[in-house]
Amino acid sequence: GAGVSQTPSNKVTEKGKYVELRCDPISGHTALYWYRQSLGQGPEFLIYFQGTGAADDSGLPNDRFFAVRPEGSVSTLKIQRTERGDSAVYLCASSLLAGGHTGELFFGEGSRLTVL
Amino acid sequence: QQQVKQSPQSLIVQKGGISIINCAYENTAFDYFPWYQQFPGKGPALLIAIRPDVSEKKEGRFTISFNKSAKQFSLHIMDSQPGDSATYFCAASKGNDMRFGAGTRLTVKP
Repeated sequence: GAGVSQTPSNKVTEKGKYVELRCDPISGHTALYWYRQSLGQGPEFLIYFQGTGAADDSGLPNDRFFAVRPEGSVSTLKIQRTERGDSAVYLCASSLLAGGHTGELFFGEGSRLTVL
Repeated sequence: QQQVKQSPQSLIVQKGGISIINCAYENTAFDYFPWYQQFPGKGPALLIAIRPDVSEKKEGRFTISFNKSAKQFSLHIMDSQPGDSATYFCAASKGNDMRFGAGTRLTVKP
């Protein structure tokens, strides 16, 4: 597809379970971001990839959260031992950087995670 | 770590009116200020953006006004339409560090 694709669109899990959320960015976009959006709030930065490496993971709330991008394209956000407070929409965005400036971020529709 | 403060939280405007949303930022290193529009169930989409070397940018019915000394910027939607009803987020960034405001839910009444 032409846009950022995220799967699953909805995920309901039980407290303590492990969850993986997938993001397929726009082809050719080297930068990939994960954000978390709680109800009534703006997107909150989690992690940024430039290519395969995590250039900035300062937004990950704790060590239960981890993300990978092994081939510089698809990324997976992994959440261990989920807690009810992890319930949110997880947004992925990609961009084509130019000159080191943040370009337009193209967002996917998000993965809504509900932890019961 | 709210580095970008947005107001109001919600806004109701009559069709044809002007919608104004305000944002303030703290970090003077920010050098790119976009506005994103989000419809329910969708991801945010870029609406308009400005860099601090200009004080105003206009695209159609949408205008950003930027006040560097006050560290404030605003979005003006002229001739607001019911189709503009959405949540609007301001953001500020430096390099790859982009921070979002909490959002304004705009309702345009017919």
